Amino acid sequence: DVKVTQSSRYLVKRTGEKVFLECVQDMDHENMFWYRQDPGLGLRLIYFSYDVKMKEKGDIPEGYSVSREKKERFSLILESASTNQTSMYLCASRWAGPLYEQYFGPGTRLTVT
Amino acid sequence: GNSVTQMEGPVTLSEEAFLTINCTYTATGYPSLFWYVQYPGEGLQLLLKATKADDKGSNKGFEATYRKETTSFHLEKGSVQVSDSAVYFCALKETSGSRLTFGEGTQLTVNP
Repeated sequence: DVKVTQSSRYLVKRTGEKVFLECVQDMDHENMFWYRQDPGLGLRLIYFSYDVKMKEKGDIPEGYSVSREKKERFSLILESASTNQTSMYLCASRWAGPLYEQYFGPGTRLTVT
Repeated sequence: GNSVTQMEGPVTLSEEAFLTINCTYTATGYPSLFWYVQYPGEGLQLLLKATKADDKGSNKGFEATYRKETTSFHLEKGSVQVSDSAVYFCALKETSGSRLTFGEGTQLTVNP
């Protein structure tokens, strides 16, 4: 079974803090993704990575950065958290190639106060 | 650019009722289409998919047919159960890419 894990299910941080969200997959997937999920907006892509040390901006990258030093791990970084970054964050991964599906982690609900 | 539009929710049904959740899309070329489901407190799981026009995806009693002429991929189930209560997302992926574009999601609640 494919497993995508995220470091925390719930996280509370203060405005201005640096926040790290970690995602790990155990299936040697090349591609990894970070989304945020907000009611009425669906999932919006923040960043994705085709492979180790490669990253590409998604639709809403402002205020975020990412790191992929190892194939199995993809980190999302909020350099200075703000209240408008309160959201559910979902990580996903997949094998490269046109027919493969994305597998999702359980999500991290981040609250910035 | 690509976009996916789902019917406005939430949807509330009684057990054994018929379900339709509408999904239409805008895309260039011939995208693949997906329905994902998110049960309470969990991440998204792939429910079904279709990769070319007139394909029908099916799983767990749910079905959706890829209609290129109407750019639609409506989700249907003949008899819903309480355990189907979840959020359903329609999504598309361009043939050559790896990114998914999601719709807004539709909350389904099934009452006994």
